[in-house]
Amino acid sequence: SAVISQKPSRDICQRGTSLTIQCQVDSQVTMMFWYRQQPGQSLTLIATANQGSEATYESGFVIDKFPISRPNLTFSTLTVSNMSPEDSSIYLCSVEHGAAGYTFGSGTRLTVV
Amino acid sequence: AQSVTQLDSQVPVFEEAPVELRCNYSSSVSVYLFWYVQYPNQGLQLLLKYLSGSTLVESINGFEAEFNKSQTSFHLRKPSVHISDTAEYFCAVSVSGGYNKLIFGAGTRLAVHP
Repeated sequence: SAVISQKPSRDICQRGTSLTIQCQVDSQVTMMFWYRQQPGQSLTLIATANQGSEATYESGFVIDKFPISRPNLTFSTLTVSNMSPEDSSIYLCSVEHGAAGYTFGSGTRLTVV
Repeated sequence: AQSVTQLDSQVPVFEEAPVELRCNYSSSVSVYLFWYVQYPNQGLQLLLKYLSGSTLVESINGFEAEFNKSQTSFHLRKPSVHISDTAEYFCAVSVSGGYNKLIFGAGTRLAVHP
């Protein structure tokens, strides 16, 4: 299965600022997925990122708030823009690779103060 | 669209007792089903998955789940739990065929007591 390197692992940010999270995969993958896990809750899909096209956002998530880049088949970034305390969550990237299922990065624990 | 319902938000159980964590899904097309585990302050780990074939799937640490298409269920079971099984368990579904998003249930917190 694929190995994902996600960074930063955690950060504390001031409200109104932005944070960019990076995910590097050790093999080429078609789709990358970005999730949010709010404190004590399940994972909610933010968007699906396909190389060479704009990301597809789920209901309740918009590109201005969560811009995503997917410059190649092994890398993606998610930016959390103009942050507020409500954005404090764990953000995870994921890839799907056929019969092996889905692999997740170790997550970015974001605290907005 | 697909959805997942985990019927129990918390399941307390004594060590060495059996446990069942319930999961039902909704989909109009064929699906893949997954169970993930998240230990306290750790990342998400795949526990087991159903893609096709035998409806009973097993993990290396004694958990098993059975895909029941008629009841649209994928319940997770273990005949004897350990303290170390204390964790959050997530059931998830994706449309079969690859390159599809994974939708998670709300999670079930399994608390194993001595």
